[in-house]
Amino acid sequence: GAVVSQHPSWVICKSGTSVKIECRSLDFQATTMFWYRQFPKQSLMLMATSNEGSKATYEQGVEKDKFLINHASLTLSTLTVTSAHPEDSSFYICSARDQTSGRTQYFGPGTRLLVL
Amino acid sequence: DAKTTQPPSMDCAEGRAANLPCNHSTISGNEYVYWYRQIHSQGPQYIIHGLKNNETNEMASLIITEDRKSSTLILPHATLRDTAVYYCIVRVESYGQNFVFGPGTRLSVLP
Repeated sequence: GAVVSQHPSWVICKSGTSVKIECRSLDFQATTMFWYRQFPKQSLMLMATSNEGSKATYEQGVEKDKFLINHASLTLSTLTVTSAHPEDSSFYICSARDQTSGRTQYFGPGTRLLVL
Repeated sequence: DAKTTQPPSMDCAEGRAANLPCNHSTISGNEYVYWYRQIHSQGPQYIIHGLKNNETNEMASLIITEDRKSSTLILPHATLRDTAVYYCIVRVESYGQNFVFGPGTRLSVLP
Protein backbone atom coordinates (compact mmCIF):
# COMPACT_ATOMS: atom_id res chain seq x y z
CA GLY A 1 0.00 0.00 0.00
CA ALA A 2 0.89 3.66 -0.18
CA VAL A 3 3.37 5.05 2.34
CA VAL A 4 2.99 8.10 4.52
CA SER A 5 5.94 9.20 6.64
CA GLN A 6 6.19 11.55 9.58
CA HIS A 7 9.17 13.32 11.04
CA PRO A 8 10.20 13.36 13.78
CA SER A 9 8.88 10.14 15.29
CA TRP A 10 9.19 11.59 18.76
CA VAL A 11 10.15 14.93 20.25
CA ILE A 12 10.70 16.31 23.73
CA CYS A 13 10.63 20.06 24.17
CA LYS A 14 10.44 22.70 26.84
CA SER A 15 7.22 24.53 27.56
CA GLY A 16 6.88 27.66 25.43
CA THR A 17 8.83 26.39 22.43
CA SER A 18 7.41 25.55 19.01
CA VAL A 19 7.57 22.16 17.38
CA LYS A 20 7.16 21.36 13.69
CA ILE A 21 5.97 17.96 12.50
CA GLU A 22 6.24 16.94 8.85
CA CYS A 23 3.94 14.59 7.01
CA ARG A 24 4.93 13.27 3.60
CA SER A 25 3.22 11.04 1.10
CA LEU A 26 6.12 9.11 -0.35
CA ASP A 27 4.74 7.49 -3.47
CA PHE A 28 1.57 9.36 -4.26
CA GLN A 29 0.16 12.86 -4.40
CA ALA A 30 -2.35 14.08 -1.86
CA THR A 31 -4.43 17.18 -2.34
CA THR A 32 -5.85 16.66 1.12
CA MET A 33 -4.14 15.51 4.27
CA PHE A 34 -5.59 15.15 7.73
CA TRP A 35 -4.09 15.74 11.16
CA TYR A 36 -5.26 13.75 14.16
CA ARG A 37 -4.37 13.77 17.83
CA GLN A 38 -4.59 10.81 20.16
CA PHE A 39 -4.35 10.92 23.93
CA PRO A 40 -3.50 7.78 25.93
CA LYS A 41 -6.19 5.11 25.82
CA GLN A 42 -8.39 7.23 23.59
CA SER A 43 -9.29 7.06 19.94
CA LEU A 44 -8.01 9.35 17.22
CA MET A 45 -9.57 12.79 17.09
CA LEU A 46 -9.44 14.88 13.94
CA MET A 47 -7.79 18.24 14.44
CA ALA A 48 -7.79 19.72 10.96
CA THR A 49 -7.98 19.06 7.26
CA SER A 50 -5.02 20.30 5.30
CA ASN A 51 -5.63 21.41 1.73
CA GLU A 52 -2.79 21.95 -0.73
CA GLY A 53 -2.55 25.57 -1.73
CA SER A 54 -5.25 26.84 0.61
CA LYS A 55 -6.02 27.32 4.27
CA ALA A 56 -6.61 24.39 6.53
CA THR A 57 -10.02 23.64 7.96
CA TYR A 58 -9.99 23.21 11.72
CA GLU A 59 -12.34 21.17 13.86
CA GLN A 60 -14.34 22.85 16.56
CA GLY A 61 -12.25 23.52 19.63
CA VAL A 62 -8.90 23.36 17.84
CA GLU A 63 -7.05 26.68 17.91
CA LYS A 64 -5.80 27.56 14.44
CA ASP A 65 -3.25 30.02 15.79
CA LYS A 66 -1.76 27.39 18.04
CA PHE A 67 -1.69 24.54 15.56
CA LEU A 68 -0.36 26.02 12.33
CA ILE A 69 -0.79 23.88 9.25
CA ASN A 70 0.97 24.41 5.95
CA HIS A 71 0.32 22.23 2.93
CA ALA A 72 2.89 23.59 0.53
CA SER A 73 2.97 20.77 -1.98
CA LEU A 74 1.06 17.67 -3.01
CA THR A 75 3.36 15.51 -0.92
CA LEU A 76 4.06 17.58 2.18
CA SER A 77 2.01 18.99 5.02
CA THR A 78 3.43 20.42 8.24
CA LEU A 79 1.88 20.92 11.64
CA THR A 80 3.53 23.42 13.96
CA VAL A 81 2.56 23.39 17.61
CA THR A 82 3.30 26.92 18.73
CA SER A 83 4.17 27.82 22.31
CA ALA A 84 3.73 24.24 23.38
CA HIS A 85 2.50 23.45 26.87
CA PRO A 86 2.42 20.16 28.78
CA GLU A 87 -1.25 19.66 27.90
CA ASP A 88 -0.22 19.54 24.22
CA SER A 89 1.70 16.35 24.91
CA SER A 90 0.07 13.75 22.72
CA PHE A 91 0.45 11.41 19.76
CA TYR A 92 0.00 13.32 16.51
CA ILE A 93 -0.90 11.34 13.38
CA CYS A 94 -1.34 12.50 9.82
CA SER A 95 -3.10 10.77 6.98
CA ALA A 96 -3.37 11.24 3.25
CA ARG A 97 -5.45 9.89 0.46
CA ASP A 98 -4.10 8.97 -2.93
CA GLN A 99 -6.07 11.21 -5.22
CA THR A 100 -5.55 8.98 -8.25
CA SER A 101 -6.02 5.47 -6.99
CA GLY A 102 -9.25 5.62 -5.07
CA ARG A 103 -10.78 5.58 -1.67
CA THR A 104 -8.24 4.29 0.78
CA GLN A 105 -6.69 6.65 3.29
CA TYR A 106 -3.20 5.95 4.57
CA PHE A 107 -1.84 6.97 7.91
CA GLY A 108 1.60 7.99 9.03
CA PRO A 109 3.40 6.26 11.90
CA GLY A 110 2.68 9.13 14.27
CA THR A 111 4.78 11.63 16.22
CA ARG A 112 4.89 11.47 19.97
CA LEU A 113 5.27 14.90 21.55
CA LEU A 114 6.25 15.40 25.17
CA VAL A 115 6.28 18.94 26.48
CA LEU A 116 8.11 19.41 29.76
CA ASP B 1 -21.48 9.02 8.24
CA ALA B 2 -23.24 6.08 9.89
CA LYS B 3 -22.27 5.14 13.43
CA THR B 4 -20.77 1.78 14.23
CA THR B 5 -20.88 -0.42 17.28
CA GLN B 6 -18.07 -2.80 18.17
CA PRO B 7 -17.35 -4.86 21.28
CA PRO B 8 -14.72 -3.09 23.40
CA SER B 9 -12.46 -6.11 23.64
CA MET B 10 -11.97 -9.68 22.45
CA ASP B 11 -9.49 -12.48 23.02
CA CYS B 12 -8.33 -15.00 20.46
CA ALA B 13 -5.97 -17.94 20.71
CA GLU B 14 -2.89 -17.81 18.55
CA GLY B 15 -3.36 -19.72 15.30
CA ARG B 16 -7.15 -19.59 15.47
CA ALA B 17 -9.41 -17.37 13.41
CA ALA B 18 -10.32 -14.01 14.92
CA ASN B 19 -13.82 -12.84 14.04
CA LEU B 20 -14.44 -9.19 14.84
CA PRO B 21 -18.04 -8.00 14.53
CA CYS B 22 -19.30 -4.55 13.69
CA ASN B 23 -22.87 -3.28 13.67
CA HIS B 24 -23.80 -0.43 11.37
CA SER B 25 -27.58 -0.62 11.26
CA THR B 26 -28.01 2.93 9.91
CA ILE B 27 -25.64 2.51 6.99
CA SER B 28 -26.83 4.10 3.78
CA GLY B 29 -26.56 2.72 0.29
CA ASN B 30 -23.52 4.75 -0.71
CA GLU B 31 -21.46 4.11 2.42
CA TYR B 32 -18.51 1.75 2.40
CA VAL B 33 -17.30 -0.35 5.33
CA TYR B 34 -13.63 0.13 6.19
CA TRP B 35 -11.44 -1.67 8.68
CA TYR B 36 -8.24 -0.29 10.13
CA ARG B 37 -6.12 -1.45 13.02
CA GLN B 38 -3.74 0.33 15.33
CA ILE B 39 -0.91 -1.48 16.98
CA HIS B 40 0.33 0.18 20.15
CA SER B 41 2.13 3.49 19.51
CA GLN B 42 1.76 3.28 15.74
CA GLY B 43 -0.48 4.95 13.19
CA PRO B 44 -3.59 3.14 11.96
CA GLN B 45 -3.02 0.52 9.29
CA TYR B 46 -5.49 -0.07 6.48
CA ILE B 47 -6.82 -3.63 6.39
CA ILE B 48 -9.72 -3.93 3.98
CA HIS B 49 -12.90 -2.27 2.78
CA GLY B 50 -16.07 -3.18 0.91
CA LEU B 51 -19.47 -1.97 -0.20
CA LYS B 52 -21.75 -4.99 -0.29
CA ASN B 53 -19.78 -7.96 -1.56
CA ASN B 54 -17.48 -9.99 0.62
CA GLU B 55 -13.85 -9.08 0.18
CA THR B 56 -10.58 -10.89 0.81
CA ASN B 57 -6.97 -9.81 0.68
CA GLU B 58 -3.69 -11.02 2.07
CA MET B 59 -4.48 -9.70 5.51
CA ALA B 60 -8.11 -10.52 6.14
CA SER B 61 -11.60 -11.25 4.88
CA LEU B 62 -14.57 -8.95 5.18
CA ILE B 63 -18.04 -10.46 5.37
CA ILE B 64 -20.93 -8.03 4.94
CA THR B 65 -24.47 -9.19 5.62
CA GLU B 66 -27.00 -9.00 2.82
CA ASP B 67 -28.87 -6.11 4.47
CA ARG B 68 -25.47 -4.42 5.08
CA LYS B 69 -26.38 -3.68 8.68
CA SER B 70 -23.42 -5.58 10.07
CA SER B 71 -20.08 -6.97 9.03
CA THR B 72 -17.35 -9.24 10.32
CA LEU B 73 -13.62 -8.92 9.89
CA ILE B 74 -11.91 -12.29 9.84
CA LEU B 75 -8.23 -12.81 10.52
CA PRO B 76 -7.88 -16.45 9.45
CA HIS B 77 -4.86 -17.42 11.54
CA ALA B 78 -4.25 -14.87 14.24
CA THR B 79 -0.69 -14.29 15.44
CA LEU B 80 0.62 -12.41 18.44
CA ARG B 81 1.45 -9.51 16.13
CA ASP B 82 -2.24 -9.12 15.34
CA THR B 83 -2.84 -7.81 18.87
CA ALA B 84 -4.18 -4.31 18.24
CA VAL B 85 -7.22 -2.07 18.34
CA TYR B 86 -9.44 -2.71 15.33
CA TYR B 87 -11.63 0.06 13.99
CA CYS B 88 -14.71 -0.41 11.84
CA ILE B 89 -15.65 2.76 9.98
CA VAL B 90 -18.45 3.42 7.52
CA ARG B 91 -18.34 6.44 5.29
CA VAL B 92 -19.42 7.82 1.99
CA GLU B 93 -17.00 8.12 -0.84
CA SER B 94 -15.96 11.74 -0.64
CA TYR B 95 -12.34 12.53 -1.28
CA GLY B 96 -12.18 15.46 1.08
CA GLN B 97 -13.77 13.73 4.04
CA ASN B 98 -11.84 12.26 6.90
CA PHE B 99 -12.37 9.02 8.76
CA VAL B 100 -14.18 9.22 12.09
CA PHE B 101 -12.75 6.77 14.59
CA GLY B 102 -14.81 5.20 17.34
CA PRO B 103 -13.31 3.34 20.32
CA GLY B 104 -12.79 0.16 18.28
CA THR B 105 -12.23 -3.40 19.53
CA ARG B 106 -9.10 -4.24 21.43
CA LEU B 107 -8.08 -7.70 20.19
CA SER B 108 -5.68 -9.65 22.34
CA VAL B 109 -4.13 -12.70 20.70
CA LEU B 110 -3.08 -15.09 23.40
CA PRO B 111 -0.28 -17.69 23.15
